[in-house]
Amino acid sequence: GAVVSQHPSWVICKSGTSVKIECRSLDFQATTMFWYRQFPKQSLMLMATSNEGSKATYEQGVEKDKFLINHASLTLSTLTVTSAHPEDSSFYICSAPAPSQIYEQYFGPGTRLTVT
Amino acid sequence: QKEVEQDPGPLSVPEGAIVSLNCTYSNSAFQYFMWYRQYSRKGPELLMYTYSSGNKEDGRFTAQVDKSSKYISLFIRDSQPSDSATYLCAMRAGGYNKLIFGAGTRLAVHP
Repeated sequence: GAVVSQHPSWVICKSGTSVKIECRSLDFQATTMFWYRQFPKQSLMLMATSNEGSKATYEQGVEKDKFLINHASLTLSTLTVTSAHPEDSSFYICSAPAPSQIYEQYFGPGTRLTVT
Repeated sequence: QKEVEQDPGPLSVPEGAIVSLNCTYSNSAFQYFMWYRQYSRKGPELLMYTYSSGNKEDGRFTAQVDKSSKYISLFIRDSQPSDSATYLCAMRAGGYNKLIFGAGTRLAVHP
């Protein structure tokens, strides 16, 4: 089946630095990808919709200048957490819609970000 | 009020028990209903999908949707320790890919 990968799987960074997380669709093209954040023992919260070749659409309350999204190709979307703070520590998960089944999304394995 | 309500648990059952997981929702536009399973520190994986009202069975899993009551359920028969995970309900309106998730229910099946 189709696979979505994320890199890195785990990253630790210092406060004030920026971190980039990659999301790739491995055997299919995705004009749209979604970025979620999940705090411990909580559900997934949609942060933004990444659109290939155009600007991302951010959910209410998500700072677009802090969470930069770039969807440079049909198989790659990146999320950059700028000037990270400890409260940004979370599990970030991306997903991409299945190419032939409108109801399904394929989720990546997630990236655990720890900001010290 | 959240669009999707789900009891976070935790729910602890003995091996072999029947497990019932539920979600309620408020948006009558939702048409696609999914259940995802998420193991610790992993991405969610799709377990069951139902369109509109009705039942769907797949092995030990049965999904039910009652749109009149805005209530969906997932039943797990003959539960196994390997079923121990967090189960997330998710739903979306037709023709739009944005998924709305429930809080997730943590399930522990003990031998």
